[in-house]
Amino acid sequence: AQSVTQPDIHITVSEGASLELRCNYSYGATPYLFWYVQSPGQGLQLLLKYFSGDTLVQGIKGFEAEFKRSQSSFNLRKPSVHWSDAAEYFCATSGTYKYIFGTGTRLKVLA
Amino acid sequence: KAGVTQTPRYLIKTRGQQVTLSCSPISGHRSVSWYQQTPGQGLQFLFEYFSETQRNKGNFPGRFSGRQFSNSRSEMNVSTLELGDSALYLCASSLVAGRDTGELFFGEGSRLTVL
Repeated sequence: AQSVTQPDIHITVSEGASLELRCNYSYGATPYLFWYVQSPGQGLQLLLKYFSGDTLVQGIKGFEAEFKRSQSSFNLRKPSVHWSDAAEYFCATSGTYKYIFGTGTRLKVLA
Repeated sequence: KAGVTQTPRYLIKTRGQQVTLSCSPISGHRSVSWYQQTPGQGLQFLFEYFSETQRNKGNFPGRFSGRQFSNSRSEMNVSTLELGDSALYLCASSLVAGRDTGELFFGEGSRLTVL
């Protein structure tokens, strides 16, 4: 069965530091993969998506992610974190008429 | 273009009552899906509709039901509310009609509190 794992529940980084959020997926074929961000009390906003092709995907707000089939990973990165990036981040894959979400990683940014 | 609109945004109910939540998808989107978000369980899929047909359903009891209207608007209903139904209920719409859901556009959610 398809699944998505986000190993880190909480991550704290200093403003200006680089960021990497981990995501591992389980799927036989090439998956559709997504990263979403959720600010407190809000819905989910799409950061980026991978369907096929170039394995390095650029998204909004300066985020990027790299699809690595050999590691079954789709990690999210940002070179320099801003205080406004503090939020919860969800990795997801597309299943049959639904998404399968990871449990999320809550990002805290220190000033 | 207006986004996904969910109403009401907040509501408080007592155990045993029922609740109906509404979702208006982005214009032109015919697929609507619902998710329950709780701190303990994360985001759990409830059901998905396309052209008034339920195509997939998650592992929730029969107290959770939904429907979609001809204008693609969707409602979900929870009957005989339990304390554990307290959650943020998120609706999402998609332009993609195929089996592999494309990009989902989420509403801001309906926050349900059951007392």
